Amino acid sequence: EPEVTQTPSHQVTQMGQEVILRCVPISNHLYFYWYRQILGQKVEFLVSFYNNEISEKSEIFDDQFSVERPDGSNFTLKIRSTKLEDSAMYFCASSEETNTIYFGEGSWLTVV
Amino acid sequence: SQQGEEDPQALSIQEGENATMNCSYKTSINNLQWYRQNSGRGLVHLILIRSNEREKHSGRLRVTLDTSKKSSSLLITASRAADTASYFCATEGAAGNKLTFGGGTRVLVKP
Repeated sequence: EPEVTQTPSHQVTQMGQEVILRCVPISNHLYFYWYRQILGQKVEFLVSFYNNEISEKSEIFDDQFSVERPDGSNFTLKIRSTKLEDSAMYFCASSEETNTIYFGEGSWLTVV
Repeated sequence: SQQGEEDPQALSIQEGENATMNCSYKTSINNLQWYRQNSGRGLVHLILIRSNEREKHSGRLRVTLDTSKKSSSLLITASRAADTASYFCATEGAAGNKLTFGGGTRVLVKP
C-alpha cells in the first residue's frame, strides 16, 4: 500500500539552528500537509499546500516556518531558527481531494 | 468542549471485550476520521465517515455519526492486545481539507 515517508525519523538540533524536515507524499495525491504533536498534547494543524502554494495555515505557522515542493516528489518543512518550544513530532500527510488523509510516521524534533 | 473531544480519556479492558469511545465536535463537518497511534509512532488511518453517512464498518471496527448531536463513536469488537494504542477522532470542516484532532482515548487491552 502506498505510504507517506518522512526523513529524518529523529533530529536533535541546537536552539537557533535551521531545520529541514523532508517528506515524500503518496504519488497521485494533490494536497499536502504538515501537522505537529507536542509530547502529550493534541495533533495540531500547521499548513496545507495545494497547486504549489499554501492553501491554509494556522497561527502556529509563523514567519519562522516555510514549506516547499522543490521537485515532483518531495515536500519540505523548514524551521528557520528553532526554539525550545518547537520540540515536537512533525507529521507530513497527503490526500486526494476531500478524502482520507494519510500520515507519515513522523519526525521527532528535539531542540536543545 | 473543543472541536473533536474524545471520551473517555483512557479505557482499560480485557482481551475479547468490546471497546467504545466517543467523540464530540462543535462545527459543521465534511467528514470525520478515526486514527490510531501507537506510542511514539505515526497516525494510522482507520476509517472515514462522511457527514451524510450514519454508520460504517471495517473489520472489527464500527463507527457511527450523529450530526444532529455532533458526535461519533468508535467501537472495537473482540479486542486484542495489539489494539492497545491511542485513538483519535479528527474532523474535516466544511471550509477545507485540514483536520482538527481531539485529545484521544488511550486504550489498554490486557491479555
